[in-house]
Amino acid sequence: DGGITQSPKYLFRKEGQNVTLSCEQNLNHDAMYWYRQDPGQGLRLIYYSQIVNDFQKGDIAEGYSVSREKKESFPLTVTSAQKNPTAFYLCASRALDRRNQPQHFGDGTRLSIL
Amino acid sequence: SQQGEEDPQALSIQEGENATMNCSYKTSINNLQWYRQNSGRGLVHLILIRSNEREKHSGRLRVTLDTSKKSSSLLITASRAADTASYFCATDGGGTSYGKLTFGQGTILTVHP
Repeated sequence: DGGITQSPKYLFRKEGQNVTLSCEQNLNHDAMYWYRQDPGQGLRLIYYSQIVNDFQKGDIAEGYSVSREKKESFPLTVTSAQKNPTAFYLCASRALDRRNQPQHFGDGTRLSIL
Repeated sequence: SQQGEEDPQALSIQEGENATMNCSYKTSINNLQWYRQNSGRGLVHLILIRSNEREKHSGRLRVTLDTSKKSSSLLITASRAADTASYFCATDGGGTSYGKLTFGQGTILTVHP
């Protein structure tokens, strides 16, 4: 089945530690996105990428980093500089070859502080 | 920044009733999309309406768009307990932000059996 796989489902971070969230898609989509969702809130864009080896900051990029070495993969690193990392992280992808296409989402990673 | 404002923040209805959720936005859009999120899960796309469309239907869903008022509504008819979820509107601004979505805060819908 085509889709987006996020792992792990739950992740715990210690003080001063960097952690990496995985996002893989087999939809052959060019664009990929990372969002942060806090309780009772909408989604806020962290980073996005429309092509391999290129990515742009979203609205809340500070304390996060990404890479896009392969079309299928868009990992997100939550660095120790992100002082409030506890949240639900969602990865999405989208086709760019046609206009007006929806985004497809993974099932998220819940990150907590130890 | 959050462009969409959704109303109401929470809605509680009985099975069989209709549910209406509203979304307002601030800047011009290329399209507006509605998504559903079950608790602890990712978002599922429901329906997309383009800026030159006024109404769209999909099964029990009806979406309207009024670009002059910068607002949209999602109507779920004959609701079921399985419709219990959070519903989000998201706008695609087009232009240099093509493909990027700006999400509203969401409406939590509870459908009682």
